Amino acid sequence: DTEVTQTPKHLVMGMTNKKSLKCEQHMGHRAMYWYKQKAKKPPELMFVYSYEKLSINESVPSRFSPECPNSSLLNLHLHALQPEDSALYLCASSQVGYQETQYFGPGTRLLVL
Amino acid sequence: AQSVTQLGSHVSVSEGALVLLRCNYSSSVPPYLFWYVQYPNQGLQLLLKYTSAATLVKGINGFEAEFKKSETSFHLTKPSAHMSDAAEYFCAVSELPGGYQKVTFGIGTKLQVIP
Repeated sequence: DTEVTQTPKHLVMGMTNKKSLKCEQHMGHRAMYWYKQKAKKPPELMFVYSYEKLSINESVPSRFSPECPNSSLLNLHLHALQPEDSALYLCASSQVGYQETQYFGPGTRLLVL
Repeated sequence: AQSVTQLGSHVSVSEGALVLLRCNYSSSVPPYLFWYVQYPNQGLQLLLKYTSAATLVKGINGFEAEFKKSETSFHLTKPSAHMSDAAEYFCAVSELPGGYQKVTFGIGTKLQVIP
């Protein structure tokens, strides 16, 4: 099984809402990633978890709060977002190491009104 | 920091023609390079990766790429384009600061295949 699943597929939220994005993999990967992708742009790294510990936070605003409850699950909690946060949010996972392939989920398309 | 530059944000080819997507890298150490493909409204899928084992790397769907150190290039090719190849292609470089992988993507090249 080389699948990374993400829920929901689409999300519309107001600026005062709190919502969460979920990512799951069962490939035994110990590194998991959140990326943000704006239209016609490449993915931009937001967070990296390695062995369930936050390893990289690419200066992401605190209204985005990641969580890695276990080695298979990665969440992204959203609160008080801005319209400019509307984007495709991609989750990926890999073995630990820089030769390793990252496996991407299909993404959650977020619209902030 | 390592980086990649993709030349040409849009490339159009006729069905059956050669596909050539260009990528140049900047790295002070031997790079680990990847090509990913993204179909509309989907996540990214790995096409192939260079990890120094061989300079000519074969990937899925008939794609291949050649690592040329003298030219700092890792161009993606396919001998004959198919309609299903229409997608966005990203070149990427990986580094391992502090023990975790950080992948930096190029701006992407949108491939259009004309029937």
